[in-house]
Amino acid sequence: GEDVEQSLFLSVREGDSSVINCTYTDSSSTYLYWYKQEPGAGLQLLTYIFSNMDMKQDQRLTVLLNKKDKHLSLRIADTQTGDSAIYFCAESIAGGGNKLTFGTGTQLKVEL
Amino acid sequence: DVKVTQSSRYLVKRTGEKVFLECVQDMDHENMFWYRQDPGLGLRLIYFSYDVKMKEKGDIPEGYSVSREKKERFSLILESASTNQTSMYLCASKRGEAFFGQGTRLTVV
Repeated sequence: GEDVEQSLFLSVREGDSSVINCTYTDSSSTYLYWYKQEPGAGLQLLTYIFSNMDMKQDQRLTVLLNKKDKHLSLRIADTQTGDSAIYFCAESIAGGGNKLTFGTGTQLKVEL
Repeated sequence: DVKVTQSSRYLVKRTGEKVFLECVQDMDHENMFWYRQDPGLGLRLIYFSYDVKMKEKGDIPEGYSVSREKKERFSLILESASTNQTSMYLCASKRGEAFFGQGTRLTVV
């Protein structure tokens, strides 16, 4: 079955690193995604990782994937106030339109 | 620039009304999705479509139906709106990565 879990809240100080964690259950995931949602807006794709990769880095973002533990994380270096948003992880399952299953979202609050 | 457009940002409807939410994409994608987003529950899949006239139920299809007569358009229908369908509705279109519309905040009174 498909289940994606995240903690609901994370608070960090400006300039620190943020680490948002996600666990999933379906081992047939093909892609894993991180989306960002700012207040009143739709979802914006931040980054994604293929299921056969361990790590992907994109500027301030680092995605780590542990397939054995079905654990995905997003690290944001030098977190800024503009990073305050809800972050969703999602997995894409092969077949049937490659539907996306989302986690509950983590509300990141960046404090001065 | 890729685009997924939802017809309304905000809607207020009465209980029992039939409600149509429209979504159009300009990327020639086969796969389109309707989600609802509620606080603490994340995004839950209502219906998806992987081709014209093809549809599949998602995790919470009850009280909804969909229509995909043309590739670019995917409509979500609330047959008889109820107050528990008050929510944010998000449409997505996907080939590799998924692109989302801005969302429709529906209030049923």
